[in-house]
Amino acid sequence: DAKTTQPPSMDCAEGRAANLPCNHSTISGNEYVYWYRQIHSQGPQYIIHGLKNNETNEMASLIITEDRKSSTLILPHATLRDTAVYYCIVRARGSQGNLIFGKGTKLSVKP
Amino acid sequence: SQTIHQWPATLVQPVGSPLSLECTVEGTSNPNLYWYRQAAGRGLQLLFYSVGIGQISSEVPQNLSASRPQDRQFILSSKKLLLSDSGFYLCAWMPATNEKLFFGSGTQLSVL
Repeated sequence: DAKTTQPPSMDCAEGRAANLPCNHSTISGNEYVYWYRQIHSQGPQYIIHGLKNNETNEMASLIITEDRKSSTLILPHATLRDTAVYYCIVRARGSQGNLIFGKGTKLSVKP
Repeated sequence: SQTIHQWPATLVQPVGSPLSLECTVEGTSNPNLYWYRQAAGRGLQLLFYSVGIGQISSEVPQNLSASRPQDRQFILSSKKLLLSDSGFYLCAWMPATNEKLFFGSGTQLSVL
């Protein structure tokens, strides 16, 4: 699976949009981009995933560049409860087993 | 609905003692199962994964082992714990029908 690069930390003001970038320049054509987040002392939680089209759900939006070498997770109105470590992962659909988490981005939402 | 159970929530063990952490999934069949570890202030490290009964893949050579005696049961074990085995252990499962990974609530293991 391709590797990803994320900034180690970001701040965001409460109520503003949080835009979390992820670089995956070696992504293959059959690899999806997944986002998870981990609130302190809890198991990670699935947020969203996509292949090449932009995706939106009740939690967030995922914007993938046309060349698919990078993506951005958008939390449209960040709240204090969105403070967490956000992980970007690329993985081929149907691949056996391993799902590798990097170090992620620590997002701090401030009042 | 599907649920994942992982226990215990916290565990304090002396160095050299054995370990057994259990994880079970309900409401699904033939899931992929995973054990991750997170050391303090570190990222998630994949330890083991299993795509079926008796099938275990190890990602990192270490003092731990895993077993899958039943379809929805995944066990993490050690014969003799080391100080470096301390950490937050997470079990996870992925259904055969989609690619989302669902995590348990984790076990905080302290080896003293």
